Amino acid sequence: QSALTQPASVSGSPGQSITISCTGTSSDVGSYNLVSWYQQQHPGKAPKLMIYEVSKRPLGVSNRFSGSKSGNTASLTISGLQAEDEANYYCSSYALSSNFVIFGGGTKLTVL
Amino acid sequence: QVQLQESGPGLVKPSETLSLTCAVSGYSISGGYYWGWIRQPPGKRLEWIGSIYHSGITYYNPSLKSRVTISVDTSKNHFSLKLSSVTAADTAVYYCARNMGADSSAYPYWGQGTLVTVSS
Repeated sequence: QSALTQPASVSGSPGQSITISCTGTSSDVGSYNLVSWYQQQHPGKAPKLMIYEVSKRPLGVSNRFSGSKSGNTASLTISGLQAEDEANYYCSSYALSSNFVIFGGGTKLTVL
Repeated sequence: QVQLQESGPGLVKPSETLSLTCAVSGYSISGGYYWGWIRQPPGKRLEWIGSIYHSGITYYNPSLKSRVTISVDTSKNHFSLKLSSVTAADTAVYYCARNMGADSSAYPYWGQGTLVTVSS
């Protein structure tokens, strides 16, 4: 089972919006609304869940973060970029073929 | 508030077995949810290792399945990871986590992580 595909890096200026894509297959992202997004501020620090079930936000997560999905590709959009958003972002999806969870390779967001 | 804390040796020799425990506080493992292990090699992506339900039902990453055992001890409110025949490729920060709900693959609760280095 391959990892989900994410761009290595994205960047944006404060106040702008950015979108990070996460491409899987019809066996994972395309089949289930079980895509999650995590923010990891520093390597070695526990990731923080930002989006679950494609577009739902856990309590306490800013509404500047939103998620969507089309076919085999999920997306995370961050609007009104802030310096504190600079981090690595990982997507994950349930994969039925082996009944487990796969992660994307991660995307480094730089706020210019 | 659910809290998780990993513990175990920070250094393991090649070919030996890596053993970690995750102590849970603020919630009884017997109450449900899936309890999982996720790792991150230095500079690399997150990798899901596997998860266990309080009843003992387990799911493992196919790429690690032959070497992984996850178990739960409800009396001590903790769960454990064993990874056998380790190599340098198993060097990583290991996190324990709890999922969001019955059929959820999302993990809102994480331990702080523990670095395990495989080296002689």
